[in-house]
Amino acid sequence: NAGVTQTPKFQVLKTGQSMTLQCAQDMNHEYMSWYRQDPGMGLRLIHYSVGAGITDQGEVPNGYNVSRSTTEDFPLRLLSAAPSQTSVYFCASSFANSPLHFGNGTRLTVT
Amino acid sequence: AQKITQTQPGMFVQEKEAVTLDCTYDTSDPSYGLFWYKQPSSGEMIFLIYQGSYDQQNATEGRYSLNFQKARKSANLVISASQLGDSAMYFCAMRPASYNTDKLIFGTGTRLQVFP
Repeated sequence: NAGVTQTPKFQVLKTGQSMTLQCAQDMNHEYMSWYRQDPGMGLRLIHYSVGAGITDQGEVPNGYNVSRSTTEDFPLRLLSAAPSQTSVYFCASSFANSPLHFGNGTRLTVT
Repeated sequence: AQKITQTQPGMFVQEKEAVTLDCTYDTSDPSYGLFWYKQPSSGEMIFLIYQGSYDQQNATEGRYSLNFQKARKSANLVISASQLGDSAMYFCAMRPASYNTDKLIFGTGTRLQVFP
């Protein structure tokens, strides 16, 4: 009964470092996406995928990279971390026209 | 433009009372879905209720109901018989059918505090 699993839960990076946020789902959902949540701004879409091998940009894609080699996994890569990327990151998955299932989030701090 | 507006940054309600959280939306898509999510202090996003734009009846899920007024472009969440555990952030979100993905547009949220 795992659902959407995100790792790590917390991460501190220095400016310029790179890292990958992991996301895995075991519900065979075709759609997956990454959002960031900042105070007072709700959730904003970073990247999304409609299936293995297919990704596209969302509202705030700059500084992030994604790939989807399998249905289950959708990692988010920060190429060169900046303080503006300090945020809480949520991965989500769903079938078409169904509610999104969210992971528990990753709290990232960039110093 | 596709947009969700939640004008109440914070709301207070006494336990066992009902409360309405406002949500208005803007879209040119004739078909869309509206969602409400709850985010407790622990941080996870919990799906509460869904309303399709062509649904004839307002959605209900237990103590949650959605007051959908299509002409006014509003989708207010009504929580009946509030409980202390309802204290959380609540987000309204929209998915226009033209997106054809799981892309959601979120509002900025309303923080609900339930007091004894």
